[in-house]
Amino acid sequence: GAVVSQHPSWVICKSGTSVKIECRSLDFQATTMFWYRQFPKQSLMLMATSNEGSKATYEQGVEKDKFLINHASLTLSTLTVTSAHPEDSSFYICSARTGSNTEAFFGQGTRLTVV
Amino acid sequence: GQSLEQPSEVTAVEGAIVQINCTYQTSGFYGLSWYQQHDGGAPTFLSYNALDGLEETGRFSSFLSRSDSYGYLLLQELQMKDSASYFCAVDGQNFVFGPGTRLSVLP
Repeated sequence: GAVVSQHPSWVICKSGTSVKIECRSLDFQATTMFWYRQFPKQSLMLMATSNEGSKATYEQGVEKDKFLINHASLTLSTLTVTSAHPEDSSFYICSARTGSNTEAFFGQGTRLTVV
Repeated sequence: GQSLEQPSEVTAVEGAIVQINCTYQTSGFYGLSWYQQHDGGAPTFLSYNALDGLEETGRFSSFLSRSDSYGYLLLQELQMKDSASYFCAVDGQNFVFGPGTRLSVLP
């Protein structure tokens, strides 16, 4: 199956710093990428949808200036958590697919801890 | 918008059959997916139903009724390793996950 690589798998950062998470589709071109956030024992909450070459569409309640998403190529999307705070600590997961009506492939996830 | 409902927990014994239901509301619909997630891991794809009916893949089967906005995941011959959370996800305007069903398989 298709592979989506997400890095880093875990990161610890200090409050006020920024963290960048990368999501790469290794063997297919991803026209659409999704970013999710998951708290312990809860579901994956969609943060934003990004299409290559255009601005991301953010879900209600997600601050676009805090969670910067860039989808500059068909194989790479990045999520930057700016001015991180302890409440941003969570599991962040990306997924990618080639278009509608297809399955989505998930990255391994990034566990962010802000201290 | 999109919303989904699933039972929060299901418990069964090894060798049994379990059905996890999912109902959804969505504007725009392409298909219904099912994912498995073990604690600490990323979701792994199980199935995708775009058309009505039952699709079987080994011990797992998935069903969709578009007219009823309803689907289910059927797990047969349960094994201990099947203990995990199972999420349905609607492929529509966005790709949105249900709240998840935690399956516990007992010996």
